Amino acid sequence: AQSVTQLGSHVSVSEGALVLLRCNYSSSVPPYLFWYVQYPNQGLQLLLKYTTGATLVKGINGFEAEFKKSETSFHLTKPSAHMSDAAEYFCAVSGSGGSYIPTFGRGTSLIVHP
Amino acid sequence: DSGVTQTPKHLITATGQRVTLRCSPRSGDLSVYWYQQSLDQGLQFLIQYYNGEERAKGNILERFSAQQFPDLHSELNLSSLELGDSALYFCASSGGRTFTDTQYFGPGTRLTVL
Repeated sequence: AQSVTQLGSHVSVSEGALVLLRCNYSSSVPPYLFWYVQYPNQGLQLLLKYTTGATLVKGINGFEAEFKKSETSFHLTKPSAHMSDAAEYFCAVSGSGGSYIPTFGRGTSLIVHP
Repeated sequence: DSGVTQTPKHLITATGQRVTLRCSPRSGDLSVYWYQQSLDQGLQFLIQYYNGEERAKGNILERFSAQQFPDLHSELNLSSLELGDSALYFCASSGGRTFTDTQYFGPGTRLTVL
């Protein structure tokens, strides 16, 4: 079985500050890992994904994430927060069971203060 | 705009009723995925169709069914509705058949069961 834990249902940062959203996963096989963003009243949008290869993954809007197998983590970072980054962020893992059906975390709401 | 359209945007109905949600994928995409987002369960994968055939099944109740038509649009049918079925239902599409392909999400249908 696979699972995802996102630490902190809400994260608050000031504009210009570092953004760090935490994601830990459990999977019995090498995982595929994803970060999605959901703006109010919209569907999810893929920010980035790790499948194979380089463990530091760069995504859209200046976000990046690093796959750390030893820590079973895939934390999302952005050096400088913008007001427009305020949204809900979801981490997802797939790989177990052969069908690669994704399991999503509960989400982290990013609040950006001026 | 992801290119995925979903109708209707909102649906209010009573317990015991049956509803149909519709999804049109991006032009050229062969896979359609259905997801449910609720406060209780979070974001859950329901079912995937690829070029008209069911490809993967997740936590979809027996009261729910889906199909993908020759023009590639898809419908999710929910019957014998219960209060707990109130949720946002998202459709996503991708060009390939695997979960590692980038999925493009529609804006969702908000279902309220009274």
